[in-house]
Amino acid sequence: EVQLVESGGDLVQPGGSLRLSCAASGFTFSGYWMNWVRQAPGKGLEWVANINEDGSEKYYVDSVKGRFTISRDNAKNSLYLQMNSLRAEDTAVYYCVVVVAAGYWGQGTLVTVSS
Amino acid sequence: QLVLTQSPSASASLGASVKLTCTLTSGHSSYAIAWLQQQPEKGPRYLMKVNSDGSHSKGDGIPDRFSGSSSGAERYLTISSLQSEDEADYYCQTWGTGIRWVFGGGTKLTVL
Repeated sequence: EVQLVESGGDLVQPGGSLRLSCAASGFTFSGYWMNWVRQAPGKGLEWVANINEDGSEKYYVDSVKGRFTISRDNAKNSLYLQMNSLRAEDTAVYYCVVVVAAGYWGQGTLVTVSS
Repeated sequence: QLVLTQSPSASASLGASVKLTCTLTSGHSSYAIAWLQQQPEKGPRYLMKVNSDGSHSKGDGIPDRFSGSSSGAERYLTISSLQSEDEADYYCQTWGTGIRWVFGGGTKLTVL
């Protein structure tokens, strides 16, 4: 069974940093692209970033370029999102998502950026 | 630029059927999409992928009441025999790996 468990969400001040983690199991982690998707309170879904199987290709939505970095550790079956220079508009639930024939989503982790 | 358009809301009676629509921008009518369900206070759940030819493949455990179809640039999600637990937000998204995903704005389905 595919499982994705996010962690690391917290309350952080504007300009601060946070690192999200996603622990994956139930599939061959090193064989799949991984994604981060977020959802601001009461809003729709927004794709944030993705990374290829060996970490050599990474893509970001324009609003986070230069501030967020996606990475992975295939030995630990883990995906990460380093978020720097956080803004109020980054407040959202962040989901880890993988496509293994079907799509699989984690339960999400809440990031709140506020003073 | 690819945009997915969904009606903000829909409603149907318990036991009835409803058809939700996701429209792709002109020039992108060959794209496959996926449908997601988000029940209140829960994370999104993958329902199915819908191809341009109308074929679809559902996720594990998705009831037969849920089906997908296509016509031109429109992708549909039909839910029959509506149940109270079907009241949720439904999103469509571009489908594939290694691409920048685009999501529709979502349709809030109310079961009367």
